[in-house]
Amino acid sequence: KAGVTQTPRYLIKTRGQQVTLSCSPISGHRSVSWYQQTPGQGLQFLFEYFSETQRNKGNFPGRFSGRQFSNSRSEMNVSTLELGDSALYLCASSPGGNNQPQHFGDGTRLSIL
Amino acid sequence: SQQGEEDPQALSIQEGENATMNCSYKTSINNLQWYRQNSGRGLVHLILIRSNEREKHSGRLRVTLDTSKKSSSLLITASRAADTASYFCATDDTGANSKLTFGKGITLSVRP
Repeated sequence: KAGVTQTPRYLIKTRGQQVTLSCSPISGHRSVSWYQQTPGQGLQFLFEYFSETQRNKGNFPGRFSGRQFSNSRSEMNVSTLELGDSALYLCASSPGGNNQPQHFGDGTRLSIL
Repeated sequence: SQQGEEDPQALSIQEGENATMNCSYKTSINNLQWYRQNSGRGLVHLILIRSNEREKHSGRLRVTLDTSKKSSSLLITASRAADTASYFCATDDTGANSKLTFGKGITLSVRP
């Protein structure tokens, strides 16, 4: 089975712009979660989608949004980018049930200039 | 906010030695998971232990969980240079396994 695929791997944007990141989960997985990783704050949960519905949400401002398509692929959007949004954004997928490990992609490295 | 706190923050050992990493957490959990991250890569799932389990093994890995002390340990036996990575504990306290709360991680260096 192919793993979780995130595109693009690297992205450079400037303040005020918006960005869309993409995640293709493992085939058959219905849950997709997004995390932000920074040296200062570590790994923080953004949100999770299951069957096209947001099931859980972390403590991030409304500039961070996401969606999931019928094929379980997910996108994450960040609007009005700030310098502090520079981070590694990780996507993880799982079948969606209890007590199941999450499978991570290699992330998108977003740099804000 | 961080739920898990790993200890130590950094660990350097010789190849062949055992590495022990600890994790403490604050709230009730459904399960605790350990992940490994190599530099610039995503996280790789190592092992999941449920709240009603006390010990679990997977190859050279041994994880223990003490819910009364809200702590877990990860033991890597006979370490190899390829084990050099950052290790994270993560707790699932929602029951849906969809929202993991991670610690800040432990940097393990295994010297050949």
